[in-house]
Formats: sequence, C-alpha cells, structure tokens
Amino acid sequence: GQNIDQPTEMTATEGAIVQINCTYQTSGFNGLFWYQQHAGEAPTFLSYNVLDGLEEKGRFSSFLSRSKGYSYLLLKELQMKDSASYLCAVMDSNYQLIWGAGTKLIIKP
Amino acid sequence: DAMVIQNPRYQVTQFGKPVTLSCSQTLNHNVMYWYQQKSSQAPKLLFHYYDKDFNNEADTPDNFQSRRPNTSFCFLDIRSPGLGDAAMYLCATSRVQGSYNEQFFGPGTRLTVL
Repeated sequence: GQNIDQPTEMTATEGAIVQINCTYQTSGFNGLFWYQQHAGEAPTFLSYNVLDGLEEKGRFSSFLSRSKGYSYLLLKELQMKDSASYLCAVMDSNYQLIWGAGTKLIIKP
Repeated sequence: DAMVIQNPRYQVTQFGKPVTLSCSQTLNHNVMYWYQQKSSQAPKLLFHYYDKDFNNEADTPDNFQSRRPNTSFCFLDIRSPGLGDAAMYLCATSRVQGSYNEQFFGPGTRLTVL
C-alpha cells in the first residue's frame, strides 16, 4: 500500500530552527509537495521537490532523497505565525497526490 | 485575483437531508478535485475531474455525487448526510503540466450534521 509518515506534533521556540521529516512509500514518484495549513483553513502550497537536493525559498527549505524515500521541511527564524500543520504529499505514478496526516507545529515565545 | 471560491463556508444540515456544496474557479485550470478532511487527518480525495472526465475514488461512498457543468464550476452533492460526514470539504484545482501538479485550494466548507 501507499504510505506517508510524518510526526504528529512538534514544538519549537520563536526564532529557532525546526526540521519536519517525511518518509514515503508510494507506487511511483512524480514529486513531493509541502503544504501549510492553519487551523480551520485550506492548505497553501509551500514547496515542490522532484530531484534530489535542497530547495530554498526564504525562511523555508525543503530537501528530498528519492533513494531513501525521505524529505524534510526546514523552517528558520521561526515566527508565531508559523504555528500550523505542515502536510507532506507525494504524487504517485498515476499523478494522484498521496497525503500525510500532517505535523502540527506549535511555536512557543 | 485568480482564485478558488467555495460556498458556503459553513453549512449545517440535518441527518439525511440532502446538501450541495459549490466550488468555482477563475484560474481556468483543467482539473478540479473534491477532498474530505476530518480533524487532524490527511485530506481524503473523493473525486476529480480531468476536463470533463469524471474519476471516482474506489472508496468514495455512493452517498457522494459530483457534477461539473462547465470548466469553472464543480458541485458536491451529499444525498443523505450521516453524522460521520461532518468534515471540512476542500475543493482544489490544478493545471497538469507534465509531472508538475500544484493544487490550489479553496477556503473549504465546514459541514455540520445535526
């Protein structure tokens, strides 16, 4: 079966750095997405990785290792507004998104 | 601004009373999706339309139906809502370009079943 694993919840301090991991087992691979979702709101796109390596976009970076079935989202200089759930999603061989359950990130002052 | 719009944002219905949720988009995307998301869970794909082609997920209950009368609009009909159907319903769109398929989400409709 297809599976996306990510931690249920993480806590970090304002101004610090946090890394959210995602491992996946899917039928084929056509890219990995990270989305941010604030409570009661829709997911918003953060990043897309299809080749191995690090993609940097401002305070957020995303890394992919296809051979290990592994990605992480790195958030730097954490702000209170970064408190949200972060969803990892993989596009399989049928171009369907397989979603993880999300990691709830709690930022403390 | 180009966007995905969902109406209503909050919907309350009674057990067994049919309800229709609507989604419209100004992005001119060829693919539209309906997801169900319950608290602290991953979005669950119910259906998607690739242009006019309807694709039903194997485990989507028959109680859920969908219509896409034109490129811009898509509807989700729940024929006889049960208590277990209370959830956030998310509409998303994408323009498939090779393997890249970023999905743009509407704000969602939160459905309460009494």
